[in-house]
Amino acid sequence: SAVISQKPSRDICQRGTSLTIQCQVDSQVTMMFWYRQQPGQSLTLIATANQGSEATYESGFVIDKFPISRPNLTFSTLTVSNMSPEDSSIYLCSVEDPRPSGANVLTFGAGSRLTVL
Amino acid sequence: SQKIEQNSEALNIQEGKTATLTCNYTNYSPAYLQWYRQDPGRGPVFLLLIRENEKEKRKERLKVTFDTTLKQSLFHITASQPADSATYLCALDGNYQLIWGAGTKLIIKP
Repeated sequence: SAVISQKPSRDICQRGTSLTIQCQVDSQVTMMFWYRQQPGQSLTLIATANQGSEATYESGFVIDKFPISRPNLTFSTLTVSNMSPEDSSIYLCSVEDPRPSGANVLTFGAGSRLTVL
Repeated sequence: SQKIEQNSEALNIQEGKTATLTCNYTNYSPAYLQWYRQDPGRGPVFLLLIRENEKEKRKERLKVTFDTTLKQSLFHITASQPADSATYLCALDGNYQLIWGAGTKLIIKP
């Protein structure tokens, strides 16, 4: 399966600032997924990033708040804009791990833990 | 809407015993269900997948069952070890994405 490098691993940010999270995959992949994991809650899909097209955002997430770039088949960034304490969370990027069965198994990066003061 | 429930309370098990984690779901009939392990400061790691037509799946000390009538999956770790301590997440296939449970923290005591 793919190996994903994600950075920063953690950061403490001030309210109103923006932070960009980077995700590098060691192989070319069609789709990259960005998730949010808030304490004690389930993983929530923010958006799907496809190379060469705009990201597809899930309900409750908008491009102005979470702009995503996907310049090539191995790299993506997620920016958390105009941060507030409510954005304090772990952000994870992931890719599909192809299975002959067609099941949607995911490989994740280590995550970026953001704390907004 | 589709919903997954996992026990939010930590599960404390004595080393050597079998740990059993539960994943219940409603309002859906998934084609398959997955279990992941997540350690602190790390992303989830895939462990096992079980299909709707499979009753049981095994991998080394791990066993997963899937009861589509009860809408429940059980995840067993036999001969548990302190290294098995982690949070375990279940996920089922939604319409086009995985639907995740919040996870159960498992603590194996020496």
